[in-house]
Amino acid sequence: QQPVQSPQAVILREGEDAVINCSSSKALYSVHWYRQKHGEAPVFLMILLKGGEQKGHDKISASFNEKKQQSSLYLTASQLSYSGTYFCGTEEGGADGLTFGKGTHLIIQP
Amino acid sequence: ETGVTQTPRHLVMGMTNKKSLKCEQHLGHNAMYWYKQSAKKPLELMFVYSLEERVENNSVPSRFSPECPNSSHLFLHLHTLQPEDSALYLCASSQMRDRGREQYFGPGTRLTVT
Repeated sequence: QQPVQSPQAVILREGEDAVINCSSSKALYSVHWYRQKHGEAPVFLMILLKGGEQKGHDKISASFNEKKQQSSLYLTASQLSYSGTYFCGTEEGGADGLTFGKGTHLIIQP
Repeated sequence: ETGVTQTPRHLVMGMTNKKSLKCEQHLGHNAMYWYKQSAKKPLELMFVYSLEERVENNSVPSRFSPECPNSSHLFLHLHTLQPEDSALYLCASSQMRDRGREQYFGPGTRLTVT
């Protein structure tokens, strides 16, 4: 079952902050975050692992609530380059590969 | 070349054609993946290969046939496709099949079935 992302879309002005959420009904091993610009490949942003380990870019922050199986991606002081579609992908305990949410469309206006 | 490359970038084929998509990774990874991305639907995992062995099929129709001759190359052979198979097909790779490994994606092949 795919994770649920919210909001579906958000429009910000440059410099504003945004939070994108991802929740699952399954017990998760990890949550992955990707950003995809139109016509381009998804780009890896961050992994949050069960137990608290995180791997990713210094300028991106995120959280993973293991009890609630929820993750949030925090985008602060947004820049025009942050525009795109953000996907969360989840890994369960015994499965291979990622199950992705439908994505959150982020538009940053000058 | 670096990263993950895919060819062709665009493909138009009839329902009776046979074609192949190619993916190559230059990252020294040992696991490769095929995903399907349709309009208004999330990325769907199709196949996983680890150390040249297929480990997951995900009930993909048999008209899609993957091949992984070595850890750097991955193919998706297509035959007698349907219009609903039109989508962006993305290849990805990761260092190992282990959980918690980031995946790096190629630019995709935009497939249109007429």
